Amino acid sequence: DTAVSQTPKYLVTQMGNDKSIKCEQNLGHDTMYWYKQDSKKFLKIMFSYNNKELIINETVPNRFSPKSPDKAHLNLHINSLELGDSAVYFCASSQGTGVYGYTFGSGTRLTVV
Amino acid sequence: AQSVTQPDIHITVSEGASLELRCNYSYGATPYLFWYVQSPGQGLQLLLKYFSGDTLVQGIKGFEAEFKRSQSSFNLRKPSVHWSDAAEYFCAVGNNNDMRFGAGTRLTVKP
Repeated sequence: DTAVSQTPKYLVTQMGNDKSIKCEQNLGHDTMYWYKQDSKKFLKIMFSYNNKELIINETVPNRFSPKSPDKAHLNLHINSLELGDSAVYFCASSQGTGVYGYTFGSGTRLTVV
Repeated sequence: AQSVTQPDIHITVSEGASLELRCNYSYGATPYLFWYVQSPGQGLQLLLKYFSGDTLVQGIKGFEAEFKRSQSSFNLRKPSVHWSDAAEYFCAVGNNNDMRFGAGTRLTVKP
């Protein structure tokens, strides 16, 4: 039973399209995150939500909009996709402040052509 | 703001040899420190963590790490590397739902 699951695993789309990535965790955690991993493997936090409330919103284009319908789900919607959005996007979750570490999903590889 | 530096982009070791991956951090208070491993095409798996107490922490898969406040370091070690340890390793620092990662060290294991 997967702890943090993301769908889809792969996403290939054309520039200008709008797409969504879904994330669900069954760990009972109260905080969820989106990270972007670029081609050099660098991981950058994008957003974090605690109990459906946005608590971190890094410098990310406003084409990226997270949505948390409940504390077990955090979806990422991307409008007007650009070539530079190609990356692997990871969802993660944690309990409390994250002192015990995060649990990561297996990632969504987004390719914009 | 917190930050993490992993000085080594790529390390190659022979199977059975010892391993040390370096990590230096910058943080205004007592840091919470982590090491994660990422196998190709996979997500990140937590190897070990430090937030208080004994400065030598044990993790999964035979890894350990030592927190040295005076050096702002949290180096990862393993006495004998196995071929299955080949992966990308990330050091991270964080608290209050804000975890920052180093750039990663890619480990190659020679037969």
